[in-house]
Amino acid sequence: GENVEQHPSTLSVQEGDSAVIKCTYSDSASNYFPWYKQELGKGPQLIIDIRSNVGEKKDQRIAVTLNKTAKHFSLHITETQPEDSAVYFCAASRGNNDMRFGAGTRLTVKP
Amino acid sequence: NAGVTQTPKFQVLKTGQSMTLQCAQDMNHEYMSWYRQDPGMGLRLIHYSVGAGITDQGEVPNGYNVSRSTTEDFPLRLLSAAPSQTSVYFCASGRQGGYGYTFGSGTRLTVV
Repeated sequence: GENVEQHPSTLSVQEGDSAVIKCTYSDSASNYFPWYKQELGKGPQLIIDIRSNVGEKKDQRIAVTLNKTAKHFSLHITETQPEDSAVYFCAASRGNNDMRFGAGTRLTVKP
Repeated sequence: NAGVTQTPKFQVLKTGQSMTLQCAQDMNHEYMSWYRQDPGMGLRLIHYSVGAGITDQGEVPNGYNVSRSTTEDFPLRLLSAAPSQTSVYFCASGRQGGYGYTFGSGTRLTVV
């Protein structure tokens, strides 16, 4: 099955700085790469996703990039705010089938 | 539109007991999955289903059973609870083709 690795496990930034989280995947047939944000005591929430036929996607302050050749994808958050503090997960799957997650990154944004 | 509903929210079991974690979705999603979340290990896939009557194993299926008799419901059964099954369990559902999952709010299970 798919194996997803995520780095770093913890990330601390100053408010207003950028944050980058990186993931690699093993299955070259994976074609769907979502990112989730999990706040304390809640289930993960989808924040952005990218498909294998696209190299980059943006949504306001967040963006995701995908390098299919190297089998890695990244989440970029610009102008970070304290409410961005949470655990972020990357995932990879074929469509929605058998989705596998990275171990998570705990992001702390210091005011 | 309730999304994904999980019950119960909290449960304490004794070793060897059995129980069923309930999951229901009202979005007519084809895909449903069960994950467990342990500190430092992210979300690990237990079982998943691509439609009514079809289920398959994920990364950590041992000790768990599932069935999918309707599109809406996807219960997870613990056959004989063990302390190693202490975890937070999440149910998720999604549309065919890759549109991301909607997660429930989780069930925190403790096995003593």
